[in-house]
Amino acid sequence: NAGVTQTPKFRVLKTGQSMTLLCAQDMNHEYMYWYRQDPGMGLRLIHYSVGEGTTAKGEVPDGYNVSRLKKQNFLLGLESAAPSQTSVYFCASSPYYGSYNEQFFGPGTRLTVL
Amino acid sequence: TQLLEQSPQFLSIQEGENLTVYCNSSSVFSSLQWYRQEPGEGPVLLVTVVTGGEVKKLKRLTFQFGDARKDSSLHITAAQPGDTGLYLCAGSDNSNYQLIWGAGTKLIIKP
Repeated sequence: NAGVTQTPKFRVLKTGQSMTLLCAQDMNHEYMYWYRQDPGMGLRLIHYSVGEGTTAKGEVPDGYNVSRLKKQNFLLGLESAAPSQTSVYFCASSPYYGSYNEQFFGPGTRLTVL
Repeated sequence: TQLLEQSPQFLSIQEGENLTVYCNSSSVFSSLQWYRQEPGEGPVLLVTVVTGGEVKKLKRLTFQFGDARKDSSLHITAAQPGDTGLYLCAGSDNSNYQLIWGAGTKLIIKP
């Protein structure tokens, strides 16, 4: 059981470049989340998904897009990267709603935008 | 807007000492979770508390949920270097799919 995996682990982009961050979970979880973590600011929710084919905006969605074509995968896209998107990105999954929404996290992707 | 404030933001103590960190809000939560995050890794769930006044123990860690379900504390007895990490609290009100996150307490235990 790999849990939640993220690729890549590190990436450096130039301003204006695009990229996709990949998240996969093998726990058959319904809910998946993308967060960014910046020093002193905790975790901020970018987008989330409550099931295959559905996505919704979180607290800081601007500049990001997501897709959940398969239940086990959740993709985060940056169409035109900006230095303000330099951060550590975490994907998480949760088994069900209505309980305590306990989340399981991937190891993170450290993104630097120059 | 629901907020969770954690204090202190940073704590550095010697091995063997006791410590308490706090997670406070003006909002009521149906449950509250504590996570620990080590450098270069994602947060890992330690415990979930759901009942006002509830106390849960995990070896040397004691978690308490306030009677009014607005606050929580984490007490560590005889801290060890392995306890070093970022401790995050997160609250759920079960009205949506999201957790409300605190900014964390960075804990360093010196040998």
